[in-house]
Amino acid sequence: DTGVSQNPRHKITKRGQNVTFRCDPISEHNRLYWYRQTLGQGPEFLTYFQNEAQLEKSRLLSDRFSAERPKGSFSTLEIQRTEQGDSAMYLCASSLQGEKLFFGSGTQLSVL
Amino acid sequence: QQQVKQSPQSLIVQKGGISIINCAYENTAFDYFPWYQQFPGKGPALLIAIRPDVSEKKEGRFTISFNKSAKQFSLHIMDSQPGDSATYFCAANNNNDMRFGAGTRLTVKP
Repeated sequence: DTGVSQNPRHKITKRGQNVTFRCDPISEHNRLYWYRQTLGQGPEFLTYFQNEAQLEKSRLLSDRFSAERPKGSFSTLEIQRTEQGDSAMYLCASSLQGEKLFFGSGTQLSVL
Repeated sequence: QQQVKQSPQSLIVQKGGISIINCAYENTAFDYFPWYQQFPGKGPALLIAIRPDVSEKKEGRFTISFNKSAKQFSLHIMDSQPGDSATYFCAANNNNDMRFGAGTRLTVKP
């Protein structure tokens, strides 16, 4: 399978803990996006990278959220000091210089 | 601020019927309008997309109708099948800023 891969698929954590999610995009895609999706809503844009450069991060939900794409390949999304309101599906998508986004299956985060 | 408004929230259609989902947008800078299909436990998958210089695009049983002056676009699924039961999202993009509608849960009854 050469699609977008996200790990873990599910994460359960206690409030106040830090969590990190990984995304491996389609190999030739240079753009990588992070979205958040809550129940009954469409995906909500968080941030995106072109190669290793993070070109938009103003829509990250708070300073507890950060993302990296150190070598322009895989990316990580970290949430520090998790809160119950952070419980959601975190989706990663990649694209090749265009609007056609290919999404992974997401990481479902539950904060207890 | 919801820049893309989608309706209905849910839709039930008989097998073989036509499913119609509508979206409206506000920002005239949007220049790409995709529809995504999402099954439970999966990420959204691109179904069909249109640019504002055409009024209609058809791919198999799926058609997008686009009305630039009204800032509205819709998805029509012809001959709906139980396998089409999923959540559908419209979206609008401008310069890597993709905004999604809230989704329509479609159920196609056999």
